[in-house]
Amino acid sequence: AQRVTQPEKLLSVFKGAPVELKCNYSYSGSPELFWYVQYSRQRLQLLLRHISRESIKGFTADLNKGETSFHLKKPFAQEEDSAMYYCALRNWGGSEKLVFGKGTKLTVNP
Amino acid sequence: GAGVSQSPSNKVTEKGKDVELRCDPISGHTALYWYRQRLGQGLEFLIYFQGNSAPDKSGLPSDRFSAERTGESVSTLTIQRTQQEDSAVYLCASSFGTLTGELFFGEGSRLTVL
Repeated sequence: AQRVTQPEKLLSVFKGAPVELKCNYSYSGSPELFWYVQYSRQRLQLLLRHISRESIKGFTADLNKGETSFHLKKPFAQEEDSAMYYCALRNWGGSEKLVFGKGTKLTVNP
Repeated sequence: GAGVSQSPSNKVTEKGKDVELRCDPISGHTALYWYRQRLGQGLEFLIYFQGNSAPDKSGLPSDRFSAERTGESVSTLTIQRTQQEDSAVYLCASSFGTLTGELFFGEGSRLTVL
């Protein structure tokens, strides 16, 4: 069964500090990983996906199959990064069901 | 409209009543998903439509829950004989096919069962 674990419910950092939101997954097949973000009073939206290997709003995430992790990182956090972040997984080329973690609330303090 | 539209945005009902939640996906989006989010919890998958067929309905928690979709358009999630544990935000999302994995979410329907 697919499972996504985000161990931190809350994460608080100061502006300019590095930030890392952890995501671990459990899946026997070939996974496809995503990060979704929900800013205050906005809809849940895609932030980035591992196959794109892109940096969005300064965030990057690398899929580590050995550690079954897909941590989200940003070297210098900004106040506007404060939001709920959800890690999600689906079966590569298979079922389209996207399985989400419980989310991490990031607060960037001034 | 430009985005996924859900109605009602808020629904308060009494235990035992039936409720219907509606989702209008983005025009042209063939895939449609329903998720449930209980307070303090993550998104729980309920059902997924490709066109008007449901290849995966594995997340429906009981036979009180059902969903249908008309063509590649509106979807309705029906909860019969509501229970207090059904209280949650019900999120709908749509996508243009399934290649990218990018889901576009609605604002959700908040259901409160008294």
